[in-house]
Amino acid sequence: KAGVTQTPRYLIKTRGQQVTLSCSPISGHRSVSWYQQTPGQGLQFLFEYFSETQRNKGNFPGRFSGRQFSNSRSEMNVSTLELGDSALYLCASSSGGGSGGEQYFGPGTRLTVT
Amino acid sequence: QKEVEQDPGPLSVPEGAIVSLNCTYSNSAFQYFMWYRQYSRKGPELLMYTYSSGNKEDGRFTAQVDKSSKYISLFIRDSQPSDSATYLCARGGADGLTFGKGTHLIIQP
Repeated sequence: KAGVTQTPRYLIKTRGQQVTLSCSPISGHRSVSWYQQTPGQGLQFLFEYFSETQRNKGNFPGRFSGRQFSNSRSEMNVSTLELGDSALYLCASSSGGGSGGEQYFGPGTRLTVT
Repeated sequence: QKEVEQDPGPLSVPEGAIVSLNCTYSNSAFQYFMWYRQYSRKGPELLMYTYSSGNKEDGRFTAQVDKSSKYISLFIRDSQPSDSATYLCARGGADGLTFGKGTHLIIQP
């Protein structure tokens, strides 16, 4: 079974721009979660989607948004990029009925904001 | 106080040694506990998943949960240089996963 895939793998953007990241979950998985990883803060939860609905949300500003499509693929959007948004963005999928179950991560998208 | 605390290391041990990695958590409502391994510039890889107190073993890895003291551990037996990575503990609950910051482990050949 193919794992979680994320595109693009690397991205360089300028402050003020916006960016869209994509995640394809493991086949059959209906839950997709997004995380931001930085050296200072570690892995921080952004949001989780299940069956096209946002089920949980972390403590990030409204510039961070996401959506999930009927095939469970998910996108994450960051508007008005700031230098502090430079990070590894990870998505994870789970089969999941309940939040917090086993989650399988993709390789991440490394975003650099200049 | 961060919900999941983990010593960042680095922790350096010789090849073949038993490694002990530890985390503490503050919220008793936590239901699931996981350990992930992350190599440099890669996504985290799920190693162990448990939801009850006690030990769970998988090959060279043993996860231990003590809910009374809010303490979780990962033991690695017969450590190998390929085990050198960052190990992340996580707790899961109704609000998703919360991670520790990770412990950087170095296995010296």
